[in-house]
Amino acid sequence: GIQVEQSPPDLILQEGANSTLRCNFSDSVNNLQWFHQNPWGQLINLFYIPSGTKQNGRLSATTVATERYSLLYISSSQTTDSGVYFCATGTYKYIFGTGTRLKVLA
Amino acid sequence: KAGVTQTPRYLIKTRGQQVTLSCSPISGHRSVSWYQQTPGQGLQFLFEYFSETQRNKGNFPGRFSGRQFSNSRSEMNVSTLELGDSALYLCASSFPGTEKNGYTFGSGTRLTVV
Repeated sequence: GIQVEQSPPDLILQEGANSTLRCNFSDSVNNLQWFHQNPWGQLINLFYIPSGTKQNGRLSATTVATERYSLLYISSSQTTDSGVYFCATGTYKYIFGTGTRLKVLA
Repeated sequence: KAGVTQTPRYLIKTRGQQVTLSCSPISGHRSVSWYQQTPGQGLQFLFEYFSETQRNKGNFPGRFSGRQFSNSRSEMNVSTLELGDSALYLCASSFPGTEKNGYTFGSGTRLTVV
């Protein structure tokens, strides 16, 4: 089955810094989503982005489907951005990536 | 608009017991999926229900089962609990036809097996 890998596995930033998270998938996909898991465990849907670029405030995402990767950009990070970021593909059955654990220091 | 509600939030069980977890989807959502999250295996798909029928199933043993009621609420059951079943169990729901746009997840039930 398809494999989804994310990098880096861990990231520590000072508040205000920018970061790029990467998601590589082993086969072509027809959808790709980014989630943020907050410290209480809830997964928040950030972007549905099978291709192209989307922006939502300080977050933006780009998927290059032909090259099988997606990037999540976080600008001017805040402590509330801390948590784990997952990419996932699938429709009724998500295959999740390995996650990037982000800690933003005040 | 209420989100996806999972109960209980925390649970401690003993090996060999069984457990039932509940998930109430967002009003109008008919697809409910369940996931298990562990530090070692990450997030893994358990099963998905739509209109009271199991539509998709992951690679978990038969000890893991679920069902969906006519009001779309879903339960999952784990029988003969093992220590390795300790995990965060997440459910997610979606409105018909919008699965591609994403499921809405609940806050999960954290199960500890001792």
